[in-house]
Amino acid sequence: QSVLTQPPSASGTPGQRVTISCSGSSSNIGSSFVNWYQQLPGTAPKLLIYSHDQRTSGVPDRFSGSTSGTSASLAISGLQSEDEADYYCATWDDSLNGWVFGGGTKLTVL
Amino acid sequence: QVLLVQSGSELKKPGASMKVSCKASGYTFTHFPMNWVRQAPGQGLEWMGWIDTSTGNPTYAQDFTGRFGFSLDTSVSTAYLLIDGLKSEDTALYYCARGPPHPSRSSAWTFDYWGQGTLVTVSS
Repeated sequence: QSVLTQPPSASGTPGQRVTISCSGSSSNIGSSFVNWYQQLPGTAPKLLIYSHDQRTSGVPDRFSGSTSGTSASLAISGLQSEDEADYYCATWDDSLNGWVFGGGTKLTVL
Repeated sequence: QVLLVQSGSELKKPGASMKVSCKASGYTFTHFPMNWVRQAPGQGLEWMGWIDTSTGNPTYAQDFTGRFGFSLDTSVSTAYLLIDGLKSEDTALYYCARGPPHPSRSSAWTFDYWGQGTLVTVSS
């Protein structure tokens, strides 16, 4: 049972916009910066978004992050086949005094 | 460039011990903590804890106390994950990942670089 809640799956067709949610509480998302990771099949996770909405170097601007209250979202516009991956949110949790992950969302490009 | 290179896959019997290494390069090793993350087969990411690379002080997540240990050899910029009394449920991919200095709610980022992962299989 993950501290942060993500939908297990999401899907879209090429060119569409999809959104992945990440729900937490006042001890984590509500008081800390949110990070998003992309894990392509058979590879290590890669930091995509940090500090709620900042893209790491080389990440296309099709990817955007936002946070409001105790929830965060990752939006991918102009969906492409290479976006098919697992996506995870992560943040600091003050109650646990450590990092916590969401359970992950498997994105399928139809 | 920053690189984290982990040791190769391991096949271990239940009850055995194992050690995974994570060699860092491309930055000052003692300036950034090293975290460990577990991914069981077909499952999500679990944060195991971190080690302060400047002091050697480890911090373990709640589910990873007792049989798990973190250590360092700063002379070769390498972090280690040790697991004692291996169980079948320890079968997983283990990743090292660089974290921000003095992690807290104020940390704007985390896990910016990852090792390639080490597959540990526990089977009799």
